[in-house]
Amino acid sequence: GIQVEQSPPDLILQEGANSTLRCNFSDSVNNLQWFHQNPWGQLINLFYIPSGTKQNGRLSATTVATERYSLLYISSSQTTDSGVYFCAVEGPPTGANSKLTFGKGITLSVRP
Amino acid sequence: GAVVSQHPSRVICKSGTSVKIECRSLDFQATTMFWYRQFPKQSLMLMATSNEGSKATYEQGVEKDKFLINHASLTLSTLTVTSAHPEDSSFYICSASPGESHQYFGPGTRLTVL
Repeated sequence: GIQVEQSPPDLILQEGANSTLRCNFSDSVNNLQWFHQNPWGQLINLFYIPSGTKQNGRLSATTVATERYSLLYISSSQTTDSGVYFCAVEGPPTGANSKLTFGKGITLSVRP
Repeated sequence: GAVVSQHPSRVICKSGTSVKIECRSLDFQATTMFWYRQFPKQSLMLMATSNEGSKATYEQGVEKDKFLINHASLTLSTLTVTSAHPEDSSFYICSASPGESHQYFGPGTRLTVL
């Protein structure tokens, strides 16, 4: 199946700093989503971005499908940005139900 | 919009008992629902995919007789952990899809088996 690798595995930032989180995947994808998992476990959908660039406030994401990677940018980080960031991809359709494969996540800690 | 709920949010049970977890799409009809399991400090692993009115499709290594899934309607899927043991303790998360590629995730259920 499709492989998803995220880097770095852990990231510590000072409040106000910028950061880039990377997601590499091993095959063409129909869907790519970035999630933030908060300390209570809730997955918050940040971006649906199989290709191109999107921005939402201090966050933006870029997926270069031909080179099989996606980047999540966090600018002016805040302590509330802390948590685990997951990249998940849906590979080429294999049947009636396409499924998401998650990376191992990036643990971000933003210090005041 | 696109809200998914899970109930209960947390459950503690004795070894050998069965536990039912509900997943509901509150403001859309979900043609497909997915069940994931997440162990501490690990990623989400897909357990099974269910479509309304049909049998669930289980991922390799997931025991279908232990993790019973019922997708009774377009807004409700249930996961029953039968004869739970301490190694089944985990965070169980469901997601629902209205038929596009998007999946909307529930808040999760933390199961602790004593």
